[in-house]
Amino acid sequence: NAGVTQTPKFQVLKTGQSMTLQCAQDMNHNSMYWYRQDPGMGLRLIYYSASEGTTDKGEVPNGYNVSRLNKREFSLRLESAAPSQTSVYFCASSEDSSQETQYFGPGTRLLVL
Amino acid sequence: QKEVEQNSGPLSVPEGAIASLNCTYSDRGSQSFFWYRQYSGKSPELIMSIYSNGDKEDGRFTAQLNKASQYVSLLIRDSQPSDSATYLCAVRRAGSYQLTFGKGTKLSVIP
Repeated sequence: NAGVTQTPKFQVLKTGQSMTLQCAQDMNHNSMYWYRQDPGMGLRLIYYSASEGTTDKGEVPNGYNVSRLNKREFSLRLESAAPSQTSVYFCASSEDSSQETQYFGPGTRLLVL
Repeated sequence: QKEVEQNSGPLSVPEGAIASLNCTYSDRGSQSFFWYRQYSGKSPELIMSIYSNGDKEDGRFTAQLNKASQYVSLLIRDSQPSDSATYLCAVRRAGSYQLTFGKGTKLSVIP
């Protein structure tokens, strides 16, 4: 099992460009999450999906949209990238939203110029 | 605003010593408490969870929780160079899906 996979590993964007970060899990988990990690700020939740067909905002949702494509996949879209969105993005999944163990993907490093 | 505070470190300990990592939280409704380890350039991985006051031991790791003082700690006995990483404290409020993370404490174990 690959666990949680993310693509791409690294991306450089210009201000105003759009992109989608992809996440997939093969653990048959119901819940999936998107975090960003910035130096000195810790991990912050952007959006989460408690189950297939549902999505909810986290702590820092502005500038992002998400799609829970199916049970396996949860994508994060930046419609018009800004330098403030330069960060490392982690996707995570858990068996369900009451489960404490969240398994994290390897991360996507995003640089917005 | 709900906050989770950790000393950013770096905390340096000699190999074989006990490393003590501390975390305080502001939300009295917090019910679940977690310690994640994150190696440089890697993703976080869960190493301990604790839900009730007292100590919980797992191998060389002991988590301690004091809800009255809003304090949770992680002790690492017989520290090894492979324990060198950033340790993230996270808490979850009862009924919430969200984890609130601290900024992490960087631990360096000196051979």
